[in-house]
Amino acid sequence: DTAVSQTPKYLVTQMGNDKSIKCEQNLGHDTMYWYKQDSKKFLKIMFSYNNKELIINETVPNRFSPKSPDKAHLNLHINSLELGDSAVYFCASSQRTGLWGNSPLHFGNGTRLTVT
Amino acid sequence: EDQVTQSPEALRLQEGESSSLNCSYTVSGLRGLFWYRQDPGKGPEFLFTLYSAGEEKEKERLKATLTKKESFLHITAPKPEDSATYLCAVQRNSGNTPLVFGKGTRLSVIA
Repeated sequence: DTAVSQTPKYLVTQMGNDKSIKCEQNLGHDTMYWYKQDSKKFLKIMFSYNNKELIINETVPNRFSPKSPDKAHLNLHINSLELGDSAVYFCASSQRTGLWGNSPLHFGNGTRLTVT
Repeated sequence: EDQVTQSPEALRLQEGESSSLNCSYTVSGLRGLFWYRQDPGKGPEFLFTLYSAGEEKEKERLKATLTKKESFLHITAPKPEDSATYLCAVQRNSGNTPLVFGKGTRLSVIA
């Protein structure tokens, strides 16, 4: 029944490793996002895809690479993990409602990444 | 640069004690202002969208209002289950712009 699901929920890994986080939505939305919530609780956009096309790419190290195999999935791959990458990563989706409009974001429950 | 500032950072209320949370924003052309609720270990859950000054939206004990510079989330006679972090976000009226979030107000309602 889950609308936006992410796996894994927790991810503990060592510096230098490569890891992936998967996201799937069953809402039929055409736009998906990755947000990062740091220790200060700020939610910041990282990427946005619309129908498998990258439309937002904020200033994020190129060690982070999103991949959207279809409009229901948006995965996040992180290379050469660093201590500063520790955070909670949220996937979200919405529906494009017009040329520039979107329905409200629906979020997954997050993946807590800890880099040691 | 678009900015959202929420106050207070934390608020502790007795059950039934009404109060308001504030969200001040700076954005060049507002497309929408959004309120979300976030419970520990969960993703934010959508509450309201406000589009223009003077607009109000209500849901159970919550009422959101909007002016040209700020939004208020009024909580009437809160219950312990209203305890959560409430996030405010704005979206600029320009192309594919993402939501810009505030840090949130952590609300605790004590029985």
